[in-house]
Amino acid sequence: GAVVSQHPSRVICKSGTSVKIECRSLDFQATTMFWYRQFPKQSLMLMATSNEGSKATYEQGVEKDKFLINHASLTLSTLTVTSAHPEDSSFYICSGGTEHTFGSGTRLTVV
Amino acid sequence: GENVEQHPSTLSVQEGDSAVIKCTYSDSASNYFPWYKQELGKGPQLIIDIRSNVGEKKDQRIAVTLNKTAKHFSLHITETQPEDSAVYFCAASDSYSGAGSYQLTFGKGTKLSVIP
Repeated sequence: GAVVSQHPSRVICKSGTSVKIECRSLDFQATTMFWYRQFPKQSLMLMATSNEGSKATYEQGVEKDKFLINHASLTLSTLTVTSAHPEDSSFYICSGGTEHTFGSGTRLTVV
Repeated sequence: GENVEQHPSTLSVQEGDSAVIKCTYSDSASNYFPWYKQELGKGPQLIIDIRSNVGEKKDQRIAVTLNKTAKHFSLHITETQPEDSAVYFCAASDSYSGAGSYQLTFGKGTKLSVIP
């Protein structure tokens, strides 16, 4: 079946720095990938839809200048959290493919 | 937009018993209803899905039923095992087309605990 590889699985960064999260579709081409944020013991909140070769579509309330999404190829989408602050600490997950295959998630901690 | 309600939020069952999780949706145009299992610290995994032209689907110990009139769908797990313990999410989409560009609206999740 479809596999989405997400890296890193965990990252700790200092306030004010930027962090890049990568999602790769290993055995399929993804023209669309979705980025979610999940708070502890809560559901998945869609942040943005990443479209290969064009601009991402952001959900209401998500700052596009803070959460930069790039989908430069059919197998790679990246989410960059810029100027990270402690309130950005969360679990970030991507998904793609016909069955919304999810990556393993990235636990971001901003200190 | 679509709204998905999921109940219960927590569920404890004895090993070997059945577990049922229920979801309701608001958009009558929704046509695709997947269920995901999420283990601690991992991404969700699709365990079963159903499309709006089917009333029931079964895969070994897992089954999903859909009532389009009432706009609700349920996950049934029989002969539960400790490894079934996880958080389960239902979801709905009103734009499923078989390609990968449809959005999903998720329920808030059910934490299932199977007691040995």
